[in-house]
Amino acid sequence: TQLLEQSPQFLSIQEGENLTVYCNSSSVFSSLQWYRQEPGEGPVLLVTVVTGGEVKKLKRLTFQFGDARKDSSLHITAAQPGDTGLYLCAGVGSGGGADGLTFGKGTHLIIQP
Amino acid sequence: SQTIHQWPATLVQPVGSPLSLECTVEGTSNPNLYWYRQAAGRGLQLLFYSVGIGQISSEVPQNLSASRPQDRQFILSSKKLLLSDSGFYLCAWSIGRRSGNTIYFGEGSWLTVV
Repeated sequence: TQLLEQSPQFLSIQEGENLTVYCNSSSVFSSLQWYRQEPGEGPVLLVTVVTGGEVKKLKRLTFQFGDARKDSSLHITAAQPGDTGLYLCAGVGSGGGADGLTFGKGTHLIIQP
Repeated sequence: SQTIHQWPATLVQPVGSPLSLECTVEGTSNPNLYWYRQAAGRGLQLLFYSVGIGQISSEVPQNLSASRPQDRQFILSSKKLLLSDSGFYLCAWSIGRRSGNTIYFGEGSWLTVV
């Protein structure tokens, strides 16, 4: 069974600070997706990283896929209150369910103004 | 453009009562459809998926069931709810059968069993 561990589980920081959240596994994934979920809503896809070592930027968000395709990180620069939410990583691999995805439990991020 | 809607958004049901959550997708044909449950501290758990009308696969044994009476309609049901059925239920869809296709989620339904 493939597992994805996300850390930290909870993070509360001040507006303007930088932060990094991590998504780690002992398994190799063919690709990895990051979703953001706001309270009371469904998750929304932010990015998919496919190649080991790949870095993708989405405005102030930088996503990196590990060289061995076992881990990923999300770095947010100058965090804003609108970044508040639950960040979920989901790995695509042979151990995934019918949807092909293994979800982590998420990082709850709160940006205080 | 494609849209997905599920309802009701919130409901409070007594133990032992039935459940019916509905989900519809518009703007696409023959989508893969999914029901997830999201409980605190447990992440997203895939409950059911469907690749076509009348084709339902269960990922987790439980007292819930799913049906797909039409191509873009997916229903989650229970005959008798348990306290442990409380949670946030998400309907979702994807295009095609290739593993790892983007999953598009509905707005979610909060179920509290009392």
